[in-house]
Amino acid sequence: IVLTQSPDFQSVTPKEKVTITCRASQSVGTSLHWYQQKPHQSPKLLIKFASQSISGVPSRFSGSGSGTDFTLTINGLEAEDAAMYYCHQSSSLLTFGGGTKVEIK
Amino acid sequence: QLQLQESGPGLVRPSETLSLTCTISGGSINNNYWSWVRQPAGKGLEWLGRISPSGILLYHPSLESRVTVSVDTSQNRFTLELRSVTAADTAVYYCARQVYGSPFDSWGQGTLVTVSS
Repeated sequence: IVLTQSPDFQSVTPKEKVTITCRASQSVGTSLHWYQQKPHQSPKLLIKFASQSISGVPSRFSGSGSGTDFTLTINGLEAEDAAMYYCHQSSSLLTFGGGTKVEIK
Repeated sequence: QLQLQESGPGLVRPSETLSLTCTISGGSINNNYWSWVRQPAGKGLEWLGRISPSGILLYHPSLESRVTVSVDTSQNRFTLELRSVTAADTAVYYCARQVYGSPFDSWGQGTLVTVSS
C-alpha cells in the first residue's frame, strides 16, 4: 500500500492551522497513524488509528479520516511543532508516507 | 519504561553483511512485534522487516532476498542482517516495537550505518 502525503513542505505562521493529508492507494480502514520527527530524533507517535489521541501529546494535534483519505491537523501551530510529519499504515505490510516538512515562518 | 537500544558497526564495506542488534530493557521481548526501520539522510522512513511473538517473519518485498530478522529471547534482543550491502543502504537504522496492527509506540534512538570501502 502506497501512502502519498501532501504537501511536501509547509511554511506556517505561529498560531495558524496546519492541515496535512495522507492518501492510501487502497483502503486501510482506520489503521493509519501519524508521527512527528524532529532533527536527530526518533519518530514520536502523535495519533493512532486515524483519530485516537496519544497520552502526553498536546490537544492541538488531531486526526481524521478512514479508508483512503486521512488528515492530520495542528490547531494553533507553536514554534516547537517545526518538524517532519509522517503517516504510517499497519493494515497490510507496513508502509510510511513520504513525509511533510512543517517550518515556522 | 521500555527502552530500545541499537548497536553494531557504524561502517560496513560494500557487498558485505550489515548486522545490528536491538537490546530491550524495561520490558520483555515476548508478546510484541519487533521491527527494523531505516532512514537515509534527508529522506523518509522505510520499514524493513518484522518478527512476531511466535517467530513469524514479515519483510519488505523489495528487500526480502537480503534481509533476515531474528530474535534471542534469552538475551531480550533481536537482530537485523542485511546482506550484499551497497551505498544505497547507508542510513540511520531504528528498531521499534509494535503491538499487532498498531503503530510503533517505542523506538530506539537509531544508529548510523555507512556503507563504504
